[in-house]
Amino acid sequence: DTAVSQTPKYLVTQMGNDKSIKCEQNLGHDTMYWYKQDSKKFLKIMFSYNNKELIINETVPNRFSPKSPDKAHLNLHINSLELGDSAVYFCASSQGWNEQFFGPGTRLTVL
Amino acid sequence: AQSVTQLGSHVSVSEGALVLLRCNYSSSVPPYLFWYVQYPNQGLQLLLKYTTGATLVKGINGFEAEFKKSETSFHLTKPSAHMSDAAEYFCAVIVSGGYNKLIFGAGTRLAVHP
Repeated sequence: DTAVSQTPKYLVTQMGNDKSIKCEQNLGHDTMYWYKQDSKKFLKIMFSYNNKELIINETVPNRFSPKSPDKAHLNLHINSLELGDSAVYFCASSQGWNEQFFGPGTRLTVL
Repeated sequence: AQSVTQLGSHVSVSEGALVLLRCNYSSSVPPYLFWYVQYPNQGLQLLLKYTTGATLVKGINGFEAEFKKSETSFHLTKPSAHMSDAAEYFCAVIVSGGYNKLIFGAGTRLAVHP
């Protein structure tokens, strides 16, 4: 009974492709997030949804589009992948302003 | 704007020695502060947090941190390091009025040797 799960765990793809990463939480939280961790381990928030409404949208290329079909799911779709998109992407969830619970991450490698 | 600085990207200690990981923050309003740990190839796990109240906060695995407003610091300590403590540690601050947006420091890799 994983709290925050992500699929896939690893994703290797060619430049120019379109790919999606899925996230699900079974904690009943109302807020979900996407973070990007680069090769130097630096973590930066990308998006956040609260009750399916986008509330944080950082300076991210519009090739990245989050979608939240319901409170328990937040997916990340990336168009026209570039080498610089290679990173580990983490999903997280919280109930309001409480502690954020992180998923195991998806390692994206763009060749 | 809030920011977090972690002094020392790598810290190495002997097993049984004191662990001290430094974190300084910049915030114009009282901050919410966090320490997260990341084990290899895993997600982040919350060690401890400071929101209000007691400035010395205790977390999991024997870690604690003290919020010092005058020094704008939130250093993480553990009296006696264990081999299993080897991991990446991140200090983070919540942006006020920012929908629970966490701003992370660059991380400190802790190595523990026998």
